[in-house]
Amino acid sequence: AQKVTQAQTEISVVEKEDVTLDCVYETRDTTYYLFWYKQPPSGELVFLIRRNSFDEQNEISGRYSWNFQKSTSSFNFTITASQVVDSAVYFCALGSDSNYQLIWGAGTKLIIKP
Amino acid sequence: NAGVTQTPKFQVLKTGQSMTLQCAQDMNHNSMYWYRQDPGMGLRLIYYSASEGTTDKGEVPNGYNVSRLNKREFSLRLESAAPSQTSVYFCASSFRDGNYGYTFGSGTRLTVV
Repeated sequence: AQKVTQAQTEISVVEKEDVTLDCVYETRDTTYYLFWYKQPPSGELVFLIRRNSFDEQNEISGRYSWNFQKSTSSFNFTITASQVVDSAVYFCALGSDSNYQLIWGAGTKLIIKP
Repeated sequence: NAGVTQTPKFQVLKTGQSMTLQCAQDMNHNSMYWYRQDPGMGLRLIYYSASEGTTDKGEVPNGYNVSRLNKREFSLRLESAAPSQTSVYFCASSFRDGNYGYTFGSGTRLTVV
């Protein structure tokens, strides 16, 4: 069975702190895809990143970085020097060629205090 | 702007009433999806359409029907609304399957009283 676990229900930090959101996945497929989406207070869902299982290179995009480790089945998301605008719910999701739909984690609510 | 358009944004229904949520995309995507989002439960797939002319059940299809009217449009119908269907509904589309990533609509907040 496929599963995505985001154990952190809510995280609260002060602006400019670094914060890491954890994502642990389970799958028996050798080819799979991992995603992060952001849902700000306005409610829309915004795509952040897609990573396939054969690409374990870490990704950096501005203040955002992602650490993919197959050995621990994790795809963690770090925000450096957090800002109030980063406050949102962040979802991790898993896809594979054997399953048409994405499997979603329950989300982590990130609160950045000024 | 290109994207996924959902209507309405808000709706209040009485138990037993029916309604249709509309969704249209203009990105020439093949696949479309309907999700519901409930607090603490993430996103759950109701129905999806892999391509024009096909629809399939997702994780929570009971109480819903869908129609893939054409490549652009995918509607969700509640025949007899129940309070348990109070939720935020999202339509999404993707080029092929979900592994390419979704583009989401802005959501419909539905309350059934």
